[in-house]
Amino acid sequence: NAGVTQTPKFRVLKTGQSMTLLCAQDMNHEYMYWYRQDPGMGLRLIHYSVGEGTTAKGEVPDGYNVSRLKKQNFLLGLESAAPSQTSVYFCASRNPGQETQYFGPGTRLLVL
Amino acid sequence: GENVEQHPSTLSVQEGDSAVIKCTYSDSASNYFPWYKQELGKRPQLIIDIRSNVGEKKDQRIAVTLNKTAKHFSLHITETQPEDSAVYFCAASKSGAGANSKLTFGKGITLSVRP
Repeated sequence: NAGVTQTPKFRVLKTGQSMTLLCAQDMNHEYMYWYRQDPGMGLRLIHYSVGEGTTAKGEVPDGYNVSRLKKQNFLLGLESAAPSQTSVYFCASRNPGQETQYFGPGTRLLVL
Repeated sequence: GENVEQHPSTLSVQEGDSAVIKCTYSDSASNYFPWYKQELGKRPQLIIDIRSNVGEKKDQRIAVTLNKTAKHFSLHITETQPEDSAVYFCAASKSGAGANSKLTFGKGITLSVRP
């Protein structure tokens, strides 16, 4: 049981490049979340999904898109990366009725 | 929306002493309050949580207390050890709200335990 995994672990992008971060969970969780973590800012919700085929905006959605084509996967896309998107990105998942969110190991992204 | 604040932002204690970390929240409808611990370079992990129908919860050296009237909750760590050094995040949400039950996190507190 791998839990929540994230790919890649680390990536360097140039301004304007695009990329997709992958989150996968094998716990059959309905809900999945993408957060970004910046120094002194805590964890801020970017987008979330309450089931396959559904997505919704969180607190800081601008510059990101997401897709949930399969229940176990939640993709976060950056169409045109900006230095302000340099951050550590965490994915999390849980089931309805169970409040505990399980986090992935994180993806460290550096945009130059 | 909900606003969660943590104070202080850093805390240093001597090994063996107790540490108390406080959080305040703004939305009186919030009823679920977890605490996450994040070691350097690692993922956040739940260490304890409390619901609004309970005033206190303990798990070995860790306890959480909740004051609904004042809208604040605190993490208490007794007999601190060097491995307790980490960033601690508090959060709040409206449990039972289904898809709208999203966690709002505080900015985190860095706890350092001096050997």
